[in-house]
Amino acid sequence: AQTVTQSQPEMSVQEAETVTLSCTYDTSESNYYLFWYKQPPSRQMILVIRQEAYKQQNATENRFSVNFQKAAKSFSLKISDSQLGDTAMYFCAFMPRGNQFYFGTGTSLTVIP
Amino acid sequence: NAGVTQTPKFQVLKTGQSMTLQCAQDMNHEYMSWYRQDPGMGLRLIHYSVGAGITDQGEVPNGYNVSRSTTEDFPLRLLSAAPSQTSVYFCASTHRGSSKNIQYFGAGTRLSVL
Repeated sequence: AQTVTQSQPEMSVQEAETVTLSCTYDTSESNYYLFWYKQPPSRQMILVIRQEAYKQQNATENRFSVNFQKAAKSFSLKISDSQLGDTAMYFCAFMPRGNQFYFGTGTSLTVIP
Repeated sequence: NAGVTQTPKFQVLKTGQSMTLQCAQDMNHEYMSWYRQDPGMGLRLIHYSVGAGITDQGEVPNGYNVSRSTTEDFPLRLLSAAPSQTSVYFCASTHRGSSKNIQYFGAGTRLSVL
């Protein structure tokens, strides 16, 4: 069975500080994709960053970066220089072969001014 | 491009009523799916389709039907609404075979069943 676990239901961070959201997953697949999606109060699901399992280099997108540890099946998201607009629910997602996505239960992040 | 369009954005039903949530995408994506989002449970897959004429069940399919007569449209039908189906519903599409494999989401439908 494919599962995705986000163990931090809620987190907060001071504006301009750095925060790390954790995600672990369980799979027997060797080739897959990992994603972080952001859901602001508008409810729209927005892709933050993606990682291909066969790539050892960690993905980065501006202030967002991941720490991908394939052996540990861990995929954490680091947000640097946090901004008020980063306040949102963040979902980790995993896609093995077959295009079916599996989502974690989400982490609610609040950026404090 | 409009991307993934869901209608309606809000809906209130009485127990036992039926309705169809519409989903359309203009990106020629083969793969489409429906999720429900409930507090503390993330997004759970209801049904998905890998192409026109092909559908399959996800994690929570009971009480829902889908069809895929065209590549663009993937409606979700509630046959006899129950309060347990009160949720936010998302439609999504993905381009199969793309190196990116990014899933694009609609804006969601908030459904309340009284």
